[in-house]
Amino acid sequence: AQTIHQWPVAEIKAVGSPLSLGCTIKGKSSPNLYWYWQATGGTLQQLFYSITVGQVESVVQLNLSASRPKDDQFILSTEKLLLSHSGFYLCAWSLAGTGEVFFGKGTRLTVV
Amino acid sequence: AQSVTQPDARVTVSEGASLQLRCKYSSSVTPYLFWYVQYPRQGLQLLLKYYSGDPVVQGVNGFEAEFSKSNSSFHLRKASVHWSDSAVYFCAVSRGTGSKLSFGKGAKLTVSP
Repeated sequence: AQTIHQWPVAEIKAVGSPLSLGCTIKGKSSPNLYWYWQATGGTLQQLFYSITVGQVESVVQLNLSASRPKDDQFILSTEKLLLSHSGFYLCAWSLAGTGEVFFGKGTRLTVV
Repeated sequence: AQSVTQPDARVTVSEGASLQLRCKYSSSVTPYLFWYVQYPRQGLQLLLKYYSGDPVVQGVNGFEAEFSKSNSSFHLRKASVHWSDSAVYFCAVSRGTGSKLSFGKGAKLTVSP
């Protein structure tokens, strides 16, 4: 069975500090991968997607970057956090040929 | 481009009562439609999906949804809610394989005893 693991579960970081969030998908080969951001009490906004290793497309500009160093790994990062980066970050995957997207449990980020 | 409107941001129903959460979509092509549920401090779980065929689709935990092309809607229903159904429900639409999944703003459901 496929599993999706996000780390860390939660982070409290200072404004201007760097950030790295990770996501690993096991049990599926060559999935499409996504990063979503959810403001507190808000809807979900797609940030990035990747259909293959080394290839990442940006959907919105939020002073964040993403990378896919391995087939099963997706990393979200920034060198300098802003207060507006606070929220809930969700990694997700889907298989080519379906529209169904599966989500991880998310990382709650608080920037202070 | 596609979009989703969920007109009811907060819904309160009594335990055992029926439920309908509304979803209207806008899409230039026949969309793929989804309902997700998000429990407090958790990720999203898929309740049900519609790609084609029978407009009424069954999901988990007694949920069902009905697709209406004429009304551009995909309303979620449940005959009898339980307190554990309290959560935020998101309707989502995509154009299919690998395309962007667009979410509505969500509907927070509170089931009262």
